[in-house]
Amino acid sequence: GAVVSQHPSWVICKSGTSVKIECRSLDFQATTMFWYRQFPKQSLMLMATSNEGSKATYEQGVEKDKFLINHASLTLSTLTVTSAHPEDSSFYICSATPPTGRPTSGTQYFGPGTRLLVL
Amino acid sequence: AQTVTQSQPEMSVQEAETVTLSCTYDTSENNYYLFWYKQPPSRQMILVIRQEAYKQQNATENRFSVNFQKAAKSFSLKISDSQLGDTAMYFCAFLPDFGNEKLTFGTGTRLTIIP
Repeated sequence: GAVVSQHPSWVICKSGTSVKIECRSLDFQATTMFWYRQFPKQSLMLMATSNEGSKATYEQGVEKDKFLINHASLTLSTLTVTSAHPEDSSFYICSATPPTGRPTSGTQYFGPGTRLLVL
Repeated sequence: AQTVTQSQPEMSVQEAETVTLSCTYDTSENNYYLFWYKQPPSRQMILVIRQEAYKQQNATENRFSVNFQKAAKSFSLKISDSQLGDTAMYFCAFLPDFGNEKLTFGTGTRLTIIP
């Protein structure tokens, strides 16, 4: 149980285009999902916290207009990198937490990540 | 604010040996969770083990066990009978126990299992 999928696994795009990444919790409902960015050989950097039905909470320094997050259902959150530029190239990872009250509540389960390369 | 410190950037050990990864944290909270995540070369983050701070008993998952010392704010991971598949980055993480708060990660320890 507690499987999180992410799509696409990798994407190459031209500078100026927008890219959408989907994160799905496959066997549980996730009221909260998280989006991270990871640079090579570094730890995960939280970008934003996404709650179903409400606006995402962005971390300091993360441009909300650049990284659009939509959490439209209890099993799906999307991250759209708008007008992508080479500096947006990175590894993006989502995670989801089961609802509170469950034995595993609070535990974040991670998707496999998306490698984005902007040319 | 919480901090998590992993003081060993890299470690290596012979296959079948036991290795311990260290993690210390700083918090003023009394109730919280601690985690060890593994990130192999595929970069998939995999939950290794979870510990609730109110439980005195150390968590174990097969070859993986922790030494949780709440007073010392220490949370080390022991890997017994290490296998080549254990080669990965290992991240220690802290989560306060009030709702779906964000994880605080350590900087990671790169573990290499030598055949």
